Amino acid sequence: AQRVTQPEKLLSVFKGAPVELKCNYSYSGSPELFWYVQYSRQRLQLLLRHISRESIKGFTADLNKGETSFHLKKPFAQEEDSAMYYCALLNAGGTSYGKLTFGQGTILTVHP
Amino acid sequence: DAGVIQSPRHEVTEMGQEVTLRCKPISGHNSLFWYRQTMMRGLELLIYFNNNVPIDDSGMPEDRFSAKMPNASFSTLKIQPSEPRDSAVYFCASSAKRERLGEQFFGPGTRLTVL
Repeated sequence: AQRVTQPEKLLSVFKGAPVELKCNYSYSGSPELFWYVQYSRQRLQLLLRHISRESIKGFTADLNKGETSFHLKKPFAQEEDSAMYYCALLNAGGTSYGKLTFGQGTILTVHP
Repeated sequence: DAGVIQSPRHEVTEMGQEVTLRCKPISGHNSLFWYRQTMMRGLELLIYFNNNVPIDDSGMPEDRFSAKMPNASFSTLKIQPSEPRDSAVYFCASSAKRERLGEQFFGPGTRLTVL
């Protein structure tokens, strides 16, 4: 069965400090992973997907198959980064094709 | 485009009452998902539909929960009878299966409080 683990429920950093939100997964196939973000009073939305290898709002995430991890990183955190972040794993085959499995989420707070 | 539409946005009810949550997915999307969000358990998938057909309902907590999708533009999640432990935010999301698989568009959620 596929699983996504975000070990930190809460993460606090100061503005300008580096931030890393951890995500580990278990999946028997070739994984496709995503980070979703929910800002205060906004809808949950896609932040980035590993397959795009893009940087969004200064965030990057690298898939490490050896460590089965997909950590989200930003070198200099900003106050507007404060939000709930979810890591998600796509089921790209079988009867549950298209299903996302989400981690439990990490609440990031960036202090001024 | 208003995106995914959910109603009501807030619902306060008493234990034992029936609750119906509604969702209108983005036009043209053929997958629809119902999630529940709580502080303790995070975001849990309850059920999802492909082309109006339920595919995976393994996340539905128990028989008190049921979901329907009578057509491509409407879905309901019903709780009968409701219990205080059902209090949560319920999200509906939709996605276009063949395009950008894994990118789901979420509604604003329904905050349910069962007293």
